[in-house]
Amino acid sequence: NAGVMQNPRHLVRRRGQEARLRCSPMKGHSHVYWYRQLPEEGLKFMVYLQKENIIDESGMPKERFSAEFPKEGPSILRIQQVVRGDSAAYFCASSPSQTGALRDEQYFGPGTRLTVT
Amino acid sequence: AQSVTQLGSHVSVSEGALVLLRCNYSSSVPPYLFWYVQYPNQGLQLLLKYTTGATLVKGINGFEAEFKKSETSFHLTKPSAHMSDAAEYFCAVSYTGTASKLTFGTGTRLQVTL
Repeated sequence: NAGVMQNPRHLVRRRGQEARLRCSPMKGHSHVYWYRQLPEEGLKFMVYLQKENIIDESGMPKERFSAEFPKEGPSILRIQQVVRGDSAAYFCASSPSQTGALRDEQYFGPGTRLTVT
Repeated sequence: AQSVTQLGSHVSVSEGALVLLRCNYSSSVPPYLFWYVQYPNQGLQLLLKYTTGATLVKGINGFEAEFKKSETSFHLTKPSAHMSDAAEYFCAVSYTGTASKLTFGTGTRLQVTL
């Protein structure tokens, strides 16, 4: 069973460009979470999605950031007009759809390291 | 609001010595508690979790943690450190039983010396 997949692993963008980060959850998982890790800091929650729905976006910056999880295909985190402060590691996690203890466990991908020059 | 405090951003132990990484949480409702490990340039791997039931939780790689409600703590321990344990460790809390966001501490970098 393949784990959570993220691509690209490394992404370099110039200020003002757009960044698109992709996340494919584990097979059978329908919950996706995005977290951001700034240098020397812990992970900060950004957004929680289920298929075609944003459940909690309380951690998303109000501007330039958006996320989606379509019925088909990976979840996308999109950052428009990137600035140097967006440089960070972005992690995706997924969890199962069934109820029970397993639903509390999030499985993390390897992350995308975004560098804005 | 919930929060997690990890005391000590860097901890150094000798190989074979006891590992103790501290985590205290703040939550207005019963928490679900997690410890994750992160190796350089990799994602997070779950070490162990507490949801309900037994307060002493055993995880992978010989790690265990004890949930102490009276102290609002969930410290991570391992009796004997190994060089391969060198990594960053994150404590996290989720306050509902359903899939929800994790709130992470700032992490503790564990160094293991010969």
